[in-house]
Amino acid sequence: DQQVKQNSPSLSVQEGRISILNCDYTNSMFDYFLWYKKYPAEGPTFLISISSIKDKNEDGRFTVFLNKSAKHLSLHIVPSQPGDSAVYFCAASNAYSGAGSYQLTFGKGTKLSVIP
Amino acid sequence: KAGVTQTPRYLIKTRGQQVTLSCSPISGHRSVSWYQQTPGQGLQFLFEYFSETQRNKGNFPGRFSGRQFSNSRSEMNVSTLELGDSALYLCASSLVGGPEQFFGPGTRLTVL
Repeated sequence: DQQVKQNSPSLSVQEGRISILNCDYTNSMFDYFLWYKKYPAEGPTFLISISSIKDKNEDGRFTVFLNKSAKHLSLHIVPSQPGDSAVYFCAASNAYSGAGSYQLTFGKGTKLSVIP
Repeated sequence: KAGVTQTPRYLIKTRGQQVTLSCSPISGHRSVSWYQQTPGQGLQFLFEYFSETQRNKGNFPGRFSGRQFSNSRSEMNVSTLELGDSALYLCASSLVGGPEQFFGPGTRLTVL
């Protein structure tokens, strides 16, 4: 049972346009959401996050939107650049049993290709 | 500040063997988590260590184990390797175990 789903395995966008990556989750106990970017032969790199008490967080060209009622989040990249071409993973977490440990549950990723 | 390092980067083993992977977290980070990435299952949580204690464990068989040393370095061990254990094993560190974790480049394990 996949608790975090990224339904689009791939996305192609023209340079300069907006990229929108989507993510859905099923576990209502998730209280923190993150996006990671991964290049081939490298580990995932943290990009941006959002707490469940917010509905939007911006960092430069990257904005994450959270719709708790729909259990949906999205990552907007504006404007898209060729260097943004990578696999993007959505991840969700919640504190584990009050022990201070956070376990990340990942989606399977969306491969973004930004075409020059 | 150096990032998370993992050794070795690539490993080839045969079924039935055991393997030990190593992870050095970012300096000052005390929490280390391990994840397995496969094409079919994506990234899955294995376990998390903090101050030499396992605080959290994912849904993996007992063949997967780990430990953490006093300098926060961590190792994971897989015994009696199976073909399905072929995967990229990723280590991630954070200061005290928060959700924002920093990943190493991974160890690519191939089981023949």
